Formats: sequence, structure tokens, C-alpha cells
Amino acid sequence: KQEVTQIPAALSVPEGENLVLNCSFTDSAIYNLQWFRQDPGKGLTSLLLIQSSQREQTSGRLNASLDKSSGRSTLYIAASQPGDSATYLCAVSANNNAGNMLTFGGGTRLMVKP
Amino acid sequence: NAGVTQTPKFRILKIGQSMTLQCTQDMNHNYMYWYRQDPGMGLKLIYYSVGAGITDKGEVPNGYNVSRSTTEDFPLRLELAAPSQTSVYFCASTPRPQAGEQYFGPGTRLTVT
Repeated sequence: KQEVTQIPAALSVPEGENLVLNCSFTDSAIYNLQWFRQDPGKGLTSLLLIQSSQREQTSGRLNASLDKSSGRSTLYIAASQPGDSATYLCAVSANNNAGNMLTFGGGTRLMVKP
Repeated sequence: NAGVTQTPKFRILKIGQSMTLQCTQDMNHNYMYWYRQDPGMGLKLIYYSVGAGITDKGEVPNGYNVSRSTTEDFPLRLELAAPSQTSVYFCASTPRPQAGEQYFGPGTRLTVT
């Protein structure tokens, strides 16, 4: 059974710092990995989607990498801003006979202090 | 495009009541999913559908039921609500889970007291 773990569970940094969020998964037979942002009391906003054949994806100040063989992904946020404060979730899609559902990690709660 | 829409946004139920959470997508996606998110946790799959007329159980299906009579709609039914069903419910869709991202609705926040 696929398990996804995110470390750390919470992170507090001063504004302007570069930071890395970690995601690990137990079964490397994935189709893709997706990073989401979730603001308190809100839904999920997709940030980046990495296909299993890709090594990284970039969008603005965000860069996500994927190392399928070791079961790891990182989300790098450059020059963090208070507006980046949110919970970040990673999820993997795999051939798991459940409609290729997403398996989610528990999230990292990020606070960027002015 | 509206994307994935969910109604209601909030609901309070008494123990033993029933209700239907509505989910509609206008992207002609075959795959649709219902997830629940408990406080401080990731999302867990309740039910999914790979097309109209086809549904199946996910990780946590007990106490729920679904139907998929059209491509657009995927309602989730709660029978005999229990406090353990207090959660935020998200509906999602994707055209091809192998290659495409999943699109999520805004969620329904349900409290059972």
C-alpha cells in the first residue's frame, strides 16, 4: 500500500528565506506527483505536476523535483513571502486499482513571518 | 468554465440524519473522486468513478454511498450521519489520472452533532 510522508509537519521562517519542503513515498511505481497549496478553510490549489518521466518542474519561485527511484520529491520556494503561508500537500497517482486515486501526505504547515 | 463545483459549502447535521453532497464538473472528465479531510490530516479516498454508471469503493467508504448517472454529476450520500463523519469533503475530477492533474472543488464542511 502506498504511503506518503511529509517532513516537517510545520515550518516557520522569516520573510526572504529560501526553503525546502520534503515528500517521500513508499512505492516508486507512480504515474505522477502533484504539489498542492491549501489556505485555512479553503480548497486545494494545484501548484505543480511532475510526470514520472520528469525530474523537475518550475513555476515562478517554485521548483519541484522528483527522484522516483528513491521515492522522494522536494518543493523549493525561493525568497519566501508572508503570502506563501499555507499548508502544502504532496500527492502521488499510481496504478493502485482504485481509479488511480491520489494518495496524500499529511502536509507541511508553512508560516512566513514578516 | 466553472470547473468542479460543490454544494453546500457548509452543513450541520444531527446524528442519524441523512444528506446528499452535490458535485458537478463541466470539463467532461471521466474520472471523479470523493475525498474527506480530517483536521490536520491529508485527504482519504471515499469513493471513485471511472465513468457514468461505474463506481467503486475507496479507502474509507463505510457510511457513504454514491451514484454516477451522468458524466457531469457525482453525488455523495450520507445515511445515518455519525460524529465520525464530521470532516471536510472534497470532490475531484481528472481526464486521465495517468497523465493529468486532478482538479478539486472548494469543499463542503460538514459537522455532525
